[in-house]
Amino acid sequence: RKEVEQDPGPFNVPEGATVAFNCTYSNSASQSFFWYRQDCRKEPKLLMSVYSSGNEDGRFTAQLNRASQYISLLIRDSKLSDSATYLCVVPTGGGNKLTFGTGTQLKVEL
Amino acid sequence: EPEVTQTPSHQVTQMGQEVILRCVPISNHLYFYWYRQILGQKVEFLVSFYNNEISEKSEIFDDQFSVERPDGSNFTLKIRSTKLEDSAMYFCASSEPGQGASTEAFFGQGTRLTVV
Repeated sequence: RKEVEQDPGPFNVPEGATVAFNCTYSNSASQSFFWYRQDCRKEPKLLMSVYSSGNEDGRFTAQLNRASQYISLLIRDSKLSDSATYLCVVPTGGGNKLTFGTGTQLKVEL
Repeated sequence: EPEVTQTPSHQVTQMGQEVILRCVPISNHLYFYWYRQILGQKVEFLVSFYNNEISEKSEIFDDQFSVERPDGSNFTLKIRSTKLEDSAMYFCASSEPGQGASTEAFFGQGTRLTVV
């Protein structure tokens, strides 16, 4: 299994739809997980942190399943401005580095 | 809101030349990182830096690369004798003290390096 693996997409969804992304990770000892958002040719920006079973922030919900080693990100009532690449990120190597997934591209359409 | 700043935003250099990419991390952060992203590919870890020394580096970070914290605010990445394949976006990041990369890392806007 790759260190961090994501479906690259793209996911094309209509405005208002609910969309979910999954991410699997290989290091069972990882304690924290992150979802970052990256717009084209911009820096990754932190969207959500997940330290326990899950986290919710407005329209965004992240869930962690340690037994199956996957993290999910749910976006409800998607908006045009949600169009971006969503990066699953896991601290590895003793916690001194972040390992990024390839990212899942989301396109929200009218 | 505090942010990580990087200069320059874009650097064009000839193959074989040396470049220095500069970063000012968030002031109370103690962990500093360099990552790179080749166009169309994923973000890759290069090096982490804590307490004035490298704490971890990737296979990419060979003798061609070096990092330095020359003063209390700047964090630099030097690439000696640049190659065409060094062309990428280079991101600096920093995180709070205590837990290294296990806490949230904040990224600068990046320096786009083009080697011609």
